[in-house]
Amino acid sequence: AQRVTQPEKLLSVFKGAPVELKCNYSYSGSPELFWYVQYSRQRLQLLLRHISRESIKGFTADLNKGETSFHLKKPFAQEEDSAMYYCALFSNTGKLIFGQGTTLQVKP
Amino acid sequence: DTGVSQDPRHKITKRGQNVTFRCDPISEHNRLYWYRQTLGQGPEFLTYFQNEAQLEKSRLLSDRFSAERPKGSFSTLEIQRTEQGDSAMYLCASSYGGGWSYEQYFGPGTRLTVT
Repeated sequence: AQRVTQPEKLLSVFKGAPVELKCNYSYSGSPELFWYVQYSRQRLQLLLRHISRESIKGFTADLNKGETSFHLKKPFAQEEDSAMYYCALFSNTGKLIFGQGTTLQVKP
Repeated sequence: DTGVSQDPRHKITKRGQNVTFRCDPISEHNRLYWYRQTLGQGPEFLTYFQNEAQLEKSRLLSDRFSAERPKGSFSTLEIQRTEQGDSAMYLCASSYGGGWSYEQYFGPGTRLTVT
């Protein structure tokens, strides 16, 4: 079965603290994984994709096939990072499969 | 081009009524997707089109749901005989191509409330 699991509904950290948003997946084959973000009152938008190995807004995510994980990390959280984050898997039929989402709350 | 647009943004309807939502994708995008999002959950896939062809439908899409993309441009999603369980945010997305490398751009969504 193709599935994405985000175990935390809410992650609350103080400004400047490190952040790790967890994502685990189930997929037979070579997965293509993404992180999407939704800021308050804005539409869902792509944050980063694993294949490009880029850092966007200080966030990085490494695909760990052994642990079937794709955790999102940032060394120093900023208040503007507060948002809902979704991990998503591109299925072999062309659609995105999303996790349940994690709300990141960065306190001043 | 201002991105993917959806209309209406909000819809309140009584149980048993029919509703229709519209999605206008980014103009050169040939793929169009519909997702549904309920409270506390991530978006769930409903269906998608390549040009005017509907290529996949989720089991979530009961026979009360129908989607069209008649000229390969805008799309409509109709729900007949609405039920309270249909209350959700309906999201539309479009992409230039169908592979994983083509980013899906999302619209603002249509929030449906069935009373």
